[in-house]
Parts: sequence; structure tokens; C-alpha cells
Amino acid sequence: QKEVEQNSGPLSVPEGAIASLNCTYSDRGSQSFFWYRQYSGKSPELIMFIYSNGDKEDGRFTAQLNKASQYVSLLIRDSQPSDSATYLCAVNPHAGGTSYGKLTFGQGTILTVHP
Amino acid sequence: DGGITQSPKYLFRKEGQNVTLSCEQNLNHDAMYWYRQDPGQGLRLIYYSQIVNDFQKGDIAEGYSVSREKKESFPLTVTSAQKNPTAFYLCASSMGPGEGQPQHFGDGTRLSIL
Repeated sequence: QKEVEQNSGPLSVPEGAIASLNCTYSDRGSQSFFWYRQYSGKSPELIMFIYSNGDKEDGRFTAQLNKASQYVSLLIRDSQPSDSATYLCAVNPHAGGTSYGKLTFGQGTILTVHP
Repeated sequence: DGGITQSPKYLFRKEGQNVTLSCEQNLNHDAMYWYRQDPGQGLRLIYYSQIVNDFQKGDIAEGYSVSREKKESFPLTVTSAQKNPTAFYLCASSMGPGEGQPQHFGDGTRLSIL
């Protein structure tokens, strides 16, 4: 079982719709969760991070975390063609020890927003 | 402007050759990381460093080496022992090694075999 799993997609949504991206993780001790956006040929760019159960909103983006279900999601409201990219979920898998600060990435979900 | 600078943008390696990828940051971050990304894949950790003069192997360290002599610099050497070096290499840094510290990335170096 992969440590961090994402549906590779592609996920296609119409402009203006809500895009929902999902991520599951295997390490129940994970504490910190990150979403990155990566345009084709570019490096990842941090969008949001979340540490506590529940929702965290930033503009059109909402991160949702459910530690009991080991599930984190990213919602993009009012999707725009410029949101078309690969979205990477990253998890800090351990609390302390030699893994301190390390991130484990999922393989990414390709999102396409069509006009 | 503060940021992470990777150079060169593109690099070609001949058989049996070692090549070094540069990563410099002026964010005053303590922790630095090297990742490898293959097409259609997520990022895999090669090496990371939490403080100067100390570094640890990541998940795919074989065939790579690093040094951390200065806080700002974390160069990666791809040795001839790395038989499949063609990939997109990404350097990242974070304020500290502590949990929850977001990592920020440089623009990357694309390495190919000649």
C-alpha cells in the first residue's frame, strides 16, 4: 500500500464548478498535510497546509482533514482554466525522530478546467 | 527578493561522469531537501539536511551525494553510480525541520543523459 494515495485523474470540471481533489494516507501518526499545485514543466507551489481536523479556507481553496478516516481533500470553488495543473498532496508522516520534517508525496491528480 | 535558486536549468551528463546541481537559498531557512521527479510521478526524497554540516539519506539516496557546508547552500552530486539519472531535480527549503513547516521549492534542474 502506498503511503500517500491520490487518484491520478485526469479530473475534468467545467469553468465555475467546484473541483474536489482527494488524498488518503496510511500513517495514522501523521500530523501535517500540504497541498501543492504544479503547472506542467514547473516546480510545485504551496497552496495550503492543514494540521487540525476540520476545514481551512483560503480564498477559493478549502482544505478538509479527517484524521480518523486518514483523509485530506482540497476543494477549489469557482474553478478557472488557470487552475488546470497537477495537484500534489504531501504528508509529514511521523511525529519527531529521524523523519522530522520529511514529507511524503502522492503521485498527484491532474485537474483540467474547461471553458 | 528571497527565494531558492537552482542552477543550471538544464544539464546533460555523459556516461561515467559525475555532475553537480547547485541549490542556494537566501530565506535563512535551516532545513533543505533534494527531490527527484520522474514523468507522471510524485516527488521522491533523495537527501535532506536539518542543520549545517549534517544531512540524512532519503528514500532513494543511492548514486547521489550532498554536502552542507553553509546554511545557504546544499549542492547535489549525481554520481556515475546512478544508472538512471534522467529526471527533474527539485531543491526545497523550510524554516526548520519541525513538523508542519511548509517546504518551498526552487525552479528545478532537468538532467538528461547524452
